[in-house]
Amino acid sequence: SAVISQKPSRDICQRGTSLTIQCQVDSQVTMMFWYRQQPGQSLTLIATANQGSEATYESGFVIDKFPISRPNLTFSTLTVSNMSPEDSSIYLCSVGGGRDEKLFFGSGTQLSVL
Amino acid sequence: GENVEQHPSTLSVQEGDSAVIKCTYSDSASNYFPWYKQELGKRPQLIIDIRSNVGEKKDQRIAVTLNKTAKHFSLHITETQPEDSAVYFCAASKGYGNKLVFGAGTILRVKS
Repeated sequence: SAVISQKPSRDICQRGTSLTIQCQVDSQVTMMFWYRQQPGQSLTLIATANQGSEATYESGFVIDKFPISRPNLTFSTLTVSNMSPEDSSIYLCSVGGGRDEKLFFGSGTQLSVL
Repeated sequence: GENVEQHPSTLSVQEGDSAVIKCTYSDSASNYFPWYKQELGKRPQLIIDIRSNVGEKKDQRIAVTLNKTAKHFSLHITETQPEDSAVYFCAASKGYGNKLVFGAGTILRVKS
């Protein structure tokens, strides 16, 4: 499977600021997704990162709050904007696009907002 | 949209016993069902998956069964070991290029 590097691994941020999370894959992948995992909870899809076009957001998530870029088939960023304590979560990128449906996860970014 | 329910939320078993986790899904168009294991502080790891054209799949001590008619699938772990202790998530999707919808997770504790 692809090697997925995500950074930062963790950060502590102040309310009202923004944080950009990077996801780098060692090979070209078709599908890239961003998930959120709140403390002790399951994984919730934020959006599908589309190469060369705007991301597709799930219900409850908007571009102004979670802008996503995907300039090529190996890289994507997720920005968490105007953060509040409710944004404290683990954010995970997920990639797929081999010859099957298998999806693999990056190591995650643990975000704490004070 | 798809909804995946997972039971139980916690499961404690004695080392060497079997563990079974069950999931149901709502969208009959879903055709791909993976299981992930997440240890504390780590990323979810894909441990086994099954497609709708198969009823059962095994990989050493782990097996998954699928009942398309009833829209449910299960994870079976035999001869459990302490290192099996983790959170297990089931998921469902409509296949290639489609998003995964996850269940709520099951905390498995294997007591030695």
